[in-house]
Amino acid sequence: DADVTQTPRNRITKTGKRIMLECSQTKGHDRMYWYRQDPGLGLRLIYYSFDVKDINKGEISDGYSVSRQAQAKFSLSLESAIPNQTALYFCATSARRLRDTTDTQYFGPGTRLTVL
Amino acid sequence: GQQVMQIPQYQHVQEGEDFTTYCNSSTTLSNIQWYKQRPGGHPVFLIQLVKSGEVKKQKRLTFQFGEAKKNSSLHITATQTTDVGTYFCAGPRAGGTSYGKLTFGQGTILTVHP
Repeated sequence: DADVTQTPRNRITKTGKRIMLECSQTKGHDRMYWYRQDPGLGLRLIYYSFDVKDINKGEISDGYSVSRQAQAKFSLSLESAIPNQTALYFCATSARRLRDTTDTQYFGPGTRLTVL
Repeated sequence: GQQVMQIPQYQHVQEGEDFTTYCNSSTTLSNIQWYKQRPGGHPVFLIQLVKSGEVKKQKRLTFQFGEAKKNSSLHITATQTTDVGTYFCAGPRAGGTSYGKLTFGQGTILTVHP
């Protein structure tokens, strides 16, 4: 969805390097998410944020950190990249809904990260 | 924690054949969503089912949500080459603190041979 952009689209880096993946959205959504996709494992949630002051760990947050710089921007950092963090990373957004319901998610185009 | 399983992981069909993928959750879901990811693309929302036993259709696609709200299926009638891709189910756990979060199944990769 063109309303959710990710940079860079591809990145090759070396073990131990610090990497930042950026996500921006123009949908006006409060909620933003970072997922990792690996073959056969589907999409796994790394971190999510329901507003600028709300950051939560997902199921695989170890080795990652995030920053919600503004409502429209959510960055994912790998402080010291390792080869098993090689994956396809997606940012997603959704609108705020009533408690116990979940609105649909809109995904960015993805960042393919390779750690050598 | 909540687990969402999808079967099969892969499905190869001839164009014109039908296709079904099944989704099972370890916990009751408040709703079930289906997404499609074309090769090289990103997941795109297809549909959301909310009610127990709900059935929805989109042209050749039929989606069902189980009575217990723990399973779902996607059936494609007479597949076409444009159906190629990975189909994901996803759902938030009913109640608790899981609102706003989706747990995705592993996906079913569909290949259609012309």
